[in-house]
Amino acid sequence: EVQLVESGGGLVQPGRSLRLSCAASGFTFDDYAMYWVRQAPGKGLEWVSGISWNSGSIGYADSVKGRFTISRDNAKNSLYLQMNSLRAEDTALYYCVKSLAYYYFDYWGQGTLVTVSS
Amino acid sequence: QSALTQPASVSGSPGQSITISCTGTSSDVGGYNYVSWYQQHPGKAPKLMIYDVSNRPSGVSNRFSGSKSGNTASLTISGLQAEDEADYYCSSYTSSSTHVFGTGTKVTVL
Repeated sequence: EVQLVESGGGLVQPGRSLRLSCAASGFTFDDYAMYWVRQAPGKGLEWVSGISWNSGSIGYADSVKGRFTISRDNAKNSLYLQMNSLRAEDTALYYCVKSLAYYYFDYWGQGTLVTVSS
Repeated sequence: QSALTQPASVSGSPGQSITISCTGTSSDVGGYNYVSWYQQHPGKAPKLMIYDVSNRPSGVSNRFSGSKSGNTASLTISGLQAEDEADYYCSSYTSSSTHVFGTGTKVTVL
């Protein structure tokens, strides 16, 4: 059974940093691209970032480019999101998502909540 | 990276069919067949319902179908059931090698 468990969320002040982690199990982690997708309270889904199986291809939404860094450790079956210079508009539930054929999102974690507020 | 445009809400009676549109540009929906649809019930994580414009993952009811014409993709739910009441989002790969979601549609079963 595929499991994706996010951690690292919490309350942080504007301008500070936070690192999210995602522990994956139930599939061959290094065979798949992985993604972070976020959802602000009461709002829609927003694609944040993605990373290919070997970290050779990485992409970011314009809204986070230059502030967020995605990475993975295939030996630890883990995905990460380093978030710097956080803003109030980054407040959201952050989902760790497994890819299907690179272009789709077939398994989602339950999310970790990030709240940016003073 | 503007969000794809979906109607805010669509409703129908049990047994009816409804269609949700998803309009993008030639840089996303119109340029690729990498369109997918997701169902999200309140407080739950999204679920993949359609990929490759019209393919259903294993376990998804054949009452759900997808199509595309030009820059607009569509999701049709036939034989509407109470359990179909949820939010639905489309998604597309883009020419910038990123992904974009739609604005979301709330489906109400009357």
